[in-house]
This record gives sequence, C-alpha cells and structure tokens, in this order.
Amino acid sequence: DQQVKQNSPSLSVQEGRISILNCDYTNSMFDYFLWYKKYPAEGPTFLISISSIKDKNEDGRFTVFLNKSAKHLSLHIVPSQPGDSAVYFCAASAPASNYQLIWGAGTKLII
Amino acid sequence: KAGVTQTPRYLIKTRGQQVTLSCSPISGHRSVSWYQQTPGQGLQFLFEYFSETQRNKGNFPGRFSGRQFSNSRSEMNVSTLELGDSALYLCASWDTLSTDTQYFGPGTRLTVL
Repeated sequence: DQQVKQNSPSLSVQEGRISILNCDYTNSMFDYFLWYKKYPAEGPTFLISISSIKDKNEDGRFTVFLNKSAKHLSLHIVPSQPGDSAVYFCAASAPASNYQLIWGAGTKLII
Repeated sequence: KAGVTQTPRYLIKTRGQQVTLSCSPISGHRSVSWYQQTPGQGLQFLFEYFSETQRNKGNFPGRFSGRQFSNSRSEMNVSTLELGDSALYLCASWDTLSTDTQYFGPGTRLTVL
C-alpha cells in the first residue's frame, strides 16, 4: 500500500523555466510533509517542508504547495538551474506513527 | 555541528557473509533511522531507534537488525547476505523534540557478490 506516490519517474525542464514536481498521498492523518533532493551516491538533503496548517511555504527559488482536500502537494522550482538536476523525494509523517517518514519513490529532474 | 557520518562508505561482501554498518548522528539527536535504497525503489524504511529502543520497524526480514548505543550511535547488521541486499544504506538522524526533519548521512554502498 503506497501511501505516498510520485507518479512521474522523471521530468525534463529547460533551464530558466519552472519545474513542478508532484506528490499524492492517501493517509489523511499525515500532518507534515517534506521534500528532499538527492544526488547519486549521496544521502538525501532536506529541501523544504510544510505543515498541514499551511497551504504554501516558500524558500528562495523553492515553493511547496499543499492541497489537503485533494491530498496533493507540489514543489515548484523557479527558475530551474542545471544544479537542480537530481532525484526529488517527497515524504510525509503522522503523529500516530511516531512521525516515521513515509517516502515516495522519487522523481528524477533533468534540467 | 558535524553532520551524520556513516562508516564504511563502501563495502564488498559475498553471499552468506554478514555485515555491520555504523552511523553517528548529529550531536544532540536521539533518533536514528535506517533506509535501504535500490535503483528505482526509492527509500525503503528499515527501522528507527530512539534512546536505545527500536520505535518503528519496516517490512524487512529478520536478517536485518540494528541497535543504538547510549551515545545515540547506531549500528545495522545484515546476516546471511543475499545478492538482493546490494544497495545504498542510509542513516538519518533528527531531534524529535523540535522538528520532524531528518538529516541524512552519505550512505554505505554495499555490494554483495
């Protein structure tokens, strides 16, 4: 049972344009969502997070949007840069599971 | 603060052997999680330790075990290695009292021949 889904295995975007990475979840108890970026042979690096009490969080070029009714979150990167090429994972946690992170399968972004 | 460190970074073993991987969390972090990453599979949760106690466990066979010491350092052990155990093993630490954000080490690349 995949509770967190990233349906696009890969995404190609031109430099300077907007990259939009999507993530869907099924568990309505999730109250905290995170995005991580991963380069090959390295551990994931925390990028940005959002609590379920918000619908948007912004940090520089990165913005995460949360649509609770649709159980959908997205990461926007504007403008996209070559160094953004990496695998992006979304993750979610819920109080009932001791905040164990549930991960999506990742989306490979190619700029 | 120093980041999460994992040793060794690379390891080659043969089937049937056992292996122990080590993780030192960020100073002050009491929670440590372990993940397995194989190509195309994302991060598969192995287990999580908090204050020397296993708090969560993923769906891995009993050949995968772990422990945490009083200084929060953690070890993961895999016995009777199989070819399918070849993967990048990642350790993450976080301060559960202040955030849900986990910080990852560089991982240990295990190759089973």
